[in-house]
Amino acid sequence: DAKTTQPTSMDCAEGRAANLPCNHSTISGNEYVYWYRQIHSQGPQYIIHGLKNNETNEMASLIITEDRKSSTLILPHATLRDTAVYYCIVRTDSWGKLQFGAGTQVVVTP
Amino acid sequence: DVKVTQSSRYLVKRTGEKVFLECVQDMDHENMFWYRQDPGLGLRLIYFSYDVKMKEKGDIPEGYSVSREKKERFSLILESASTNQTSMYLCASSAQLAGEDEQYFGPGTRLTVT
Repeated sequence: DAKTTQPTSMDCAEGRAANLPCNHSTISGNEYVYWYRQIHSQGPQYIIHGLKNNETNEMASLIITEDRKSSTLILPHATLRDTAVYYCIVRTDSWGKLQFGAGTQVVVTP
Repeated sequence: DVKVTQSSRYLVKRTGEKVFLECVQDMDHENMFWYRQDPGLGLRLIYFSYDVKMKEKGDIPEGYSVSREKKERFSLILESASTNQTSMYLCASSAQLAGEDEQYFGPGTRLTVT
C-alpha cells in the first residue's frame, strides 16, 4: 500500500472549515483514499473514502487531485467535537487491512 | 448504526494469566478484525476472520490466538499474558474484505499486564 504524509497537527476555529491535507505521491491506480478519525480514548471512526472523484457525505468532503497524488479532507463547519486525530489511508482493493500512520492531530478551539 | 462492542474498557491482568477479550457486532458483518494500538506504532493487525471458524494471521499474531464460533462474536485470547502485551486492543468489523469497504471499530479495551 502507498504511504501517506500528513501534517503532525493543526488548529481550527469553531465554525470554520477545516482543510486537512494528505500526500500520497506513490498511489497506484487501484488504491482508494480513506479517512478515519480517532477521538481520544475511542476507537477509530470511518469518515469517507474515494478513488478518483470528489466525494461528500454528511460528515465531510474529500477532494482528490487529478493526478491522485494528494487529497484534502474538508470538515465544513468544525465543532469542538471534531477535535481528534485524523488518519489518511491509502488502500488497495485486494483485502481489508488498514495501515494507520501517525495522522494529524486537529484541535478545534472556541 | 453499526455497533461494535467490546467486553471491557479497562482490564488489569497478571503476567502468565490467560486473557479473553470479547467483541460483538450487530450488523451481520462477515469480517472481523483485532488490532492493537501503541504510541508511535499506530494500529497493527493481529488477526482477522472472514467467516465463522475461519481466521487469518495479521502482522503480529505471536502470543495471540482467536476464536470465531458465531458470526457476531470474535474473541482474542492471550494464552499467557506478558508485560509487552500491555496495549489498547481494538476490534473492528466490515461487510466486505475487498473493494470499497469501511471498518467499524469498537471503543477499545485498554489492557495492562503487571
